[in-house]
Formats: sequence, structure tokens, C-alpha cells
Amino acid sequence: QVQLQESGPGLVKPSQTLSLTCTVSGGSISSGDYYWSWIRQPPGKGLEWIGYIYYSGSTYYNPSLKSRVTISVDTSKNQFSLKLSSVTAADTAVYYCARNPIGTSCYKLWGQGTLVTVSS
Amino acid sequence: EIVLTQSPGTLSLSPGERATLSCRASQSVSSSYLAWYQQKPGQAPRLLIYGASSRATGIPDRFSGSGSGTDFTLTISRLEPEDFAVYYCQQYGSSPQTFGQGTRLEIK
Repeated sequence: QVQLQESGPGLVKPSQTLSLTCTVSGGSISSGDYYWSWIRQPPGKGLEWIGYIYYSGSTYYNPSLKSRVTISVDTSKNQFSLKLSSVTAADTAVYYCARNPIGTSCYKLWGQGTLVTVSS
Repeated sequence: EIVLTQSPGTLSLSPGERATLSCRASQSVSSSYLAWYQQKPGQAPRLLIYGASSRATGIPDRFSGSGSGTDFTLTISRLEPEDFAVYYCQQYGSSPQTFGQGTRLEIK
């Protein structure tokens, strides 16, 4: 069965770039049936959609973060990645990768999440 | 963007009771593209309901969703101990997709 696993630094300094990778196992990111997404959750707060990517490289971002976000895909490694630039303390959150079927944006498959803290 | 407001913020009930959670949208949610998730501490959200009323695979039938337009409801018919958690609604009919702020369901 398909599983998702986030990886990356747990601590990022203010004004720097947050970088995370999601590794897909048990299935191919190139299957064509899904979008691959990033969602975050500040401690004790609700969920915020960041954006998603198709295996071809097409991307869709939340307008509130669009100027700072880049999502990319590496089909050879079965991974997709998130970069968020110019981070502040407000970007401290658990970051989840998730999968949604084409034509819908509800999420049945999630990674376990990784906490990223922005602090000097 | 569509703002989702969930009520109540916290719901205190006992096992065996019926829970009714509300999600109200600031604009009509197209095609009833409304989902409900359950989240327990330290875990990722779990999809319960999609399309406002369709149960996801493996979800017990005590969970049901209803509603359309701007008003949606998640009902848990008889609470089990494992149902006490935080519940979020999500609309995915308009971009950007958005989530509600959550309802905490706690044991009374």
C-alpha cells in the first residue's frame, strides 16, 4: 500500500528557506491519477492548504502563500518537495504531505507530518 | 476565499450519546464538495466524509454527513470512546480549498 513520508530540517532560521521532501513508497508518483499536496497546521490551530503538483510538473498554489512557495517533483526518486522562502515564526507548523485524486481535493492518504520550527 | 465556521468550538458528551457538529460556509459550496476529517493528538487527519454525505472507505456507519449550499452537519449516532477527537470540515469546490477551525469533541 502507498505510504508518504516527510523529511527535512526541523529548525529553520527566520528569513531563510524551508525545504521539505515527501517520499512516496508502495506506488508510483507518475501514476497520473493523483495530485500530490502540501498542507500545514500551526501548533494548536487548524489546517491550511499550501499547494499541489501533478507528476508532469503542473502546480497549483494557495494565493496567500504563492509568492513564497515552490513545489517540485522528481519522478525518478518518487518524491515531491516544498520550498517556502522568507520564513517567519508564523510559518512554524506541522507540515503534511498528502495525496488527492484527480477531480477532487479531499485527502484520504497523508504522511505522518513533520514539525518545522522557525527560530533563531 | 470561502470561510468555514464550525460550531460549537467544544462539545462535551458521554459515550453512547449522539453528536451533531456544524459547518457553515461564507458562500455556497459548489457541488457539495464538503469533507469531514477526524484528528487525534499527534496524528494526521483521517478522512471520514466526502461529497457532503459519502462515507470514506472503512468509516463506521455511525458517522454520517448531510447538508448543502452553506450549511453542513456531521452526525455521530452513538459515540464510542475512540470518537473523542477534533473534527474539521473542508470545502474543495472553490479555490483555494479551505478548512474550518475545528470542533473539539471531549468526554463529559
